[in-house]
Order: sequence, then structure tokens, then C-alpha cells
Amino acid sequence: DTGVSQNPRHKITKRGQNVTFRCDPISEHNRLYWYRQTLGQGPEFLTYFQNEAQLEKSRLLSDRFSAERPKGSFSTLEIQRTEQGDSAMYLCASSRLQGEAFFGQGTRLTVV
Amino acid sequence: AQKVTQAQTEISVVEKEDVTLDCVYETRDTTYYLFWYKQPPSGELVFLIRRNSFDEQNEISGRYSWNFQKSTSSFNFTITASQVVDSAVYFCALSDILTGGGNKLTFGTGTQLKVEL
Repeated sequence: DTGVSQNPRHKITKRGQNVTFRCDPISEHNRLYWYRQTLGQGPEFLTYFQNEAQLEKSRLLSDRFSAERPKGSFSTLEIQRTEQGDSAMYLCASSRLQGEAFFGQGTRLTVV
Repeated sequence: AQKVTQAQTEISVVEKEDVTLDCVYETRDTTYYLFWYKQPPSGELVFLIRRNSFDEQNEISGRYSWNFQKSTSSFNFTITASQVVDSAVYFCALSDILTGGGNKLTFGTGTQLKVEL
């Protein structure tokens, strides 16, 4: 059991650039979640997938954000035209059906 | 709407002291899950416990124990004989059972626990 893996761990980008993060869930987990965490706050739910289907998206996920899980395995989260307010830790988690979620170490995004 | 309140922003204790982290929640759901996660400086959220709203029995796991009181909407976490390795931010979280497989979590703002020698 290798755990949830996220890449890159850190990303610094200039405002207006596009960025993409990758999440590899625990292999037998059907469900995959994305959360965002800003400094001093708890994580906030963004979206989740069951296999390849994106079943729910938070209102926090603006049109500049898109997430995919094309084959029901790894997932990508893309942010287009990044803004300074996008600076945060982006956390990925996975779970079995009805099981508890296990989180990765996150990707820390800094927009300068 | 769901809400989780962790009123203690930061707690400092000396090693071997017992410490209780408070969590109060609000929900209109009749069935829900409550969670505690630990976030060490490395950033990864480490799962500690999930409790179903139907199960009000307290739970003990080694030095950790949890007190769930539905009447006061609280789910408090006690660490007995704290150790330096317990230093981390601890998050309480809530989800309804039917959404997101029970993992669409609403987190509190966390309690920073510092355990000193």
C-alpha cells in the first residue's frame, strides 16, 4: 500500500500562467477527492470522482479550474490563468466505496 | 449547512500531560460521520478516526480516546500522556453519509498542539 501520491510537491508560477497537478490514489480506491487548504484554515472540498465520473463540484471550483480522471485511476487538476488568490495547498484523497478518505501530502501552489 | 468549530487555536502542554481537543459541530442531517485528522508539519492529513452518528459509544485507541456526545453536538479528542511526536495540527471534520461516499468533509479550522519537553 503506497498511499496517495501527489506531484509536484511545490509549484511556483507567475500570475496568468496555467498549472496542472497530478494525483495517484491508492490503487484499489474507487473514489478520489480534491480539497484546497489555505494558511491557517481547514481543507475545503472542491470535487470528487467515482471511477472516471465527476459526481460533484463545489462552488469554489470556478470556470478556471478543471479536474479529470480519464481512466478512473490518476487524476489531474488544472488551473488556468492563475491568480494570487489561487495560492494554497491542493490536497488529494482517495477512498473505497463508503470507506474513510486517505490524503496525500499535497501540492503547494504559490502564484507570484 | 454544516459547520465545525474548534475554538482552541493553539494548545501547549508539557510532555506526559493529558490534553483534550474540543470539537463542536452543526448539521441538519440525521445521519452523518465525524472525523479527526492529524496534520504534521509534512502536510499530509493522517486519518485518526471516523464515527457514525448512530454510534455514541466512546472509543479508545492506545493513548487516544474520543468522547462523542450527540446531546451537545460535541466530538472531543483526548491524548493521554502526550509526547513530542503528537505535536501537529488536529482537525475535526463532519460529513453527511450520503454525499461523496461520506467523504465530502467540512473541516474545522484546526487546533495546533505543541508538546514540549
